[in-house]
Amino acid sequence: EVQLLESGGGLVQPGGSLRLSCAASGFTFSSYAMNWVRQAPGKGLEWVSAISGGGGDTYYADSVKGRFTISRDNSKNTLFLQMNSLRAEDTAVYYCAKDSSMNPYFMDVWGKGTTVTVSS
Amino acid sequence: QSVLTQSPSVSGAPGQRVTISCTGSSSNIGADYAVHWYQQLPGTAPKLLIYGNTNRPSGVPDRFSGSKSGTSASLAITGLQAEDEADYYCQSYDSSLSGVVFGGGTKLTVL
Repeated sequence: EVQLLESGGGLVQPGGSLRLSCAASGFTFSSYAMNWVRQAPGKGLEWVSAISGGGGDTYYADSVKGRFTISRDNSKNTLFLQMNSLRAEDTAVYYCAKDSSMNPYFMDVWGKGTTVTVSS
Repeated sequence: QSVLTQSPSVSGAPGQRVTISCTGSSSNIGADYAVHWYQQLPGTAPKLLIYGNTNRPSGVPDRFSGSKSGTSASLAITGLQAEDEADYYCQSYDSSLSGVVFGGGTKLTVL
């Protein structure tokens, strides 16, 4: 069974940093792109970032470009999101989502999410 | 303001048919990028409902169908059931933004 388990969320002050992780199992991790998608309280889905299966190509939403870094460790089947210079508007549930192909296309499996709260 | 535009809400009685629209532009849906749809039940993570404009993943009832024309796409749900009450999101790719884009979501209420 394909499973994604996010961790690393929490409460952080504005300007602070946080590193999210997503542990994957049940599929050949390196063969698929991976995504981070967030959802602010009461709001819709917002795509944040994606990384190709091999890790060589990364993609970012304009709202996080220069502040967030996506990476993956294919030897440990784990996806990461390093979030720096956090702002109140980054407060959201962050979902890890497996893509359907080696490069971003559509997301066929989602994790349950981890909550990030940016507040003083 | 989402790149893909969806009506905020739609409603229908059990057994009826409803459609949810997703309007884009020449840099996303109109550029022939595929549209995908997700269902998010209250308090849960999104779930893939339709991919590649018209395809249903295994396990999704054939009451759900997708279509695409020009710069728009639609999700149709026939034989509406109480458990269909959820938020629905469309997704595509935008060449101007060089990234994935979502619609703002449509809340379906089953009366």
